[in-house]
Amino acid sequence: GAVVSQHPSWVICKSGTSVKIECRSLDFQATTMFWYRQFPKQSLMLMATSNEGSKATYEQGVEKDKFLINHASLTLSTLTVTSAHPEDSSFYICSASHPVSGANVLTFGAGSRLTVL
Amino acid sequence: GQQLNQSPQSMFIQEGEDVSMNCTSSSIFNTWLWYKQDPGEGPVLLIALYKAGELTSNGRLTAQFGITRKDSFLNISASIPSDVGIYFCAGLRRGGSNYKLTFGKGTLLTVNP
Repeated sequence: GAVVSQHPSWVICKSGTSVKIECRSLDFQATTMFWYRQFPKQSLMLMATSNEGSKATYEQGVEKDKFLINHASLTLSTLTVTSAHPEDSSFYICSASHPVSGANVLTFGAGSRLTVL
Repeated sequence: GQQLNQSPQSMFIQEGEDVSMNCTSSSIFNTWLWYKQDPGEGPVLLIALYKAGELTSNGRLTAQFGITRKDSFLNISASIPSDVGIYFCAGLRRGGSNYKLTFGKGTLLTVNP
C-alpha cells in the first residue's frame, strides 16, 4: 500500500533556529501534499496545501513566511519552521493523496514532533 | 471554516463490548474517512466511504456514509485492548482541482481488559 515517510520523527531545537521537516511518498507520486499541525489532545488542523511545482496554499491564520513549504518533486515536500519559538512546539503531520478505487484518499506520515526550547 | 461534530469525545468500555461513534456536518462531503491515531503516530486510515448510503466493513469495523452526505458513523464490534486510541472522522470535499480534508475533534477510546 501507499506509504508516506516523514523525517525527522522528533527534533529539539533552540529558540530562533530553523527546522526542516521532510515528507516523502515512497511508492507513489503525489502532486499534492498536505501539512497539518496537532497540539496535545486536539485534532489535526490543516496548515497548508503543498502543490508540486507551484506555491503552497496556506490556511487562514498560518504565516507563510514562518512556515515555508517547498514541493520540489512529485515525491518530496518540505516544511521549514523559520525562527522557531516555544509556541511552535507541536506535532507536525504530512499527508499525500493517492487514488483508491477511483477516489482520492489521504495517507499520513508518522508525524514529526518539534520541541523548541 | 467547515466544522465536523464528532461524538462522543471519549468512551470507556469493557473488552468485548461494541462501540459506536458518529460525525455530523452542516456541509456535504464527497468522501468520508475514518482514521485511528495512536500516541505519537500519524493517523492510519481505517475505512473510506465514497457514496451516500454506502455501508462498508473492515473486520470488526463497520462504517456508513449517511444518505444526506452530511454524516457518518463507525461501529467497532467485540472491542479488544488494542482498539485503544483516538478515532477521527474526516470529510473530503472537492472544489475543482483542489480538495480539502476536514477532521472531527476525535473520540478517545479506552478499553478495559
